[in-house]
Amino acid sequence: QQQVKQSPQSLIVQKGGISIINCAYENTAFDYFPWYQQFPGKGPALLIAIRPDVSEKKEGRFTISFNKSAKQFSLHIMDSQPGDSATYFCAAIRYNFNKFYFGSGTKLNVKP
Amino acid sequence: EPEVTQTPSHQVTQMGQEVILRCVPISNHLYFYWYRQILGQKVEFLVSFYNNEISEKSEIFDDQFSVERPDGSNFTLKIRSTKLEDSAMYFCASLPSLGPPDEQYFGPGTRLTVT
Repeated sequence: QQQVKQSPQSLIVQKGGISIINCAYENTAFDYFPWYQQFPGKGPALLIAIRPDVSEKKEGRFTISFNKSAKQFSLHIMDSQPGDSATYFCAAIRYNFNKFYFGSGTKLNVKP
Repeated sequence: EPEVTQTPSHQVTQMGQEVILRCVPISNHLYFYWYRQILGQKVEFLVSFYNNEISEKSEIFDDQFSVERPDGSNFTLKIRSTKLEDSAMYFCASLPSLGPPDEQYFGPGTRLTVT
């Protein structure tokens, strides 16, 4: 059973545009929803995260929107830059079980 | 900045051989994890480890896998008899405490190639 579904699989955006990546989850017991950024040959790095009692969180050009009733959350990258080109993974976590469920990843390519 | 280190960066082994992947978590961290990522696919949780025992493991983590913290610094993943499908990137991660993973750090990974 796929606990976290992510789309799209790949995304091409022009420099300065908005990149939007979506995730949906199944288990309402999840407590925490992080997004990770991964460059080729590197491990995932935490980008931004949100708890289910908040509908939006913004850090710089990165914003998470969270819809608890729809069990969906999304990452928005404003003013996308070529340096943002990477693979992005959403995840869902239950604190007490310290087990992470990752989405399938979105490969973002920001064209100059 | 603190970092998780992993060795080797690339390991090539023959099917049926045992491999040990090594990780040095951040020194004051207490929770340790192994993940794997088959090329082009998602990151999959394997196991979490705390207080010298496994706290959680996935369906992937069968009897062929084991983890150990042999001393105060290393955290190892052993695969007893490797299969072709074990070829993947293996990432180690650590957390200082059980809670929001704001301070979770991933290592750079070990690429395991089973031939």
